[in-house]
Amino acid sequence: AQKITQTQPGMFVQEKEAVTLDCTYDTSDPSYGLFWYKQPSSGEMIFLIYQGSYDQQNATEGRYSLNFQKARKSANLVISASQLGDSAMYFCAMRVTGGGNKLTFGTGTQLKVEL
Amino acid sequence: ETGVTQSPTHLIKTRGQQVTLRCSSQSGHNTVSWYQQALGQGPQFIFQYYREEENGRGNFPPRFSGLQFPNYSSELNVNALELDDSALYLCASSPGGTSGQETQYFGPGTRLLVL
Repeated sequence: AQKITQTQPGMFVQEKEAVTLDCTYDTSDPSYGLFWYKQPSSGEMIFLIYQGSYDQQNATEGRYSLNFQKARKSANLVISASQLGDSAMYFCAMRVTGGGNKLTFGTGTQLKVEL
Repeated sequence: ETGVTQSPTHLIKTRGQQVTLRCSSQSGHNTVSWYQQALGQGPQFIFQYYREEENGRGNFPPRFSGLQFPNYSSELNVNALELDDSALYLCASSPGGTSGQETQYFGPGTRLLVL
């Protein structure tokens, strides 16, 4: 069974600062993918970034980067230069290759960007 | 926007009724997954359809059923509604395949309230 743990229910960050959202995962499958999604209050889940278990380098997408530490089973999301529009719920999710296309989600972190 | 659409956006039903939710997948995607997201929780996988066949199911009772059409759009049907079925129902489409890097793109969701 796969499990995602997000231990930060809520986070605050000042505008233009960087913030790290924590995610740890558990799986016995050697091949898996890790995803981060942003969910504004409107409800839509917006894909942010992907990291494959065999990827040698940490993924980056614009202001988003993923700090992947395989041995620690962590996949933290780093948002640089925070903007007010970054205020939302953020979910970490995992898909294992042998588990179909099912995504397993964490409980999320509510991020609030302040002036 | 992802190109994934869902209807209706909101729905109110009473206990014991039946409901049908609809999803149109992104162009070129042949896989649709459905998730239930209760308030304050991460999404939970209900089931997935790949080329009109069910391709994986989460821990949901048989009164949750689905369908995928030749154009890859999909329906989620819930019979004998219970109060705990009140949630945001999310549909996600993906290109299809077994690779762990398959990214799922979500629609805006349907908010169901059961009274």
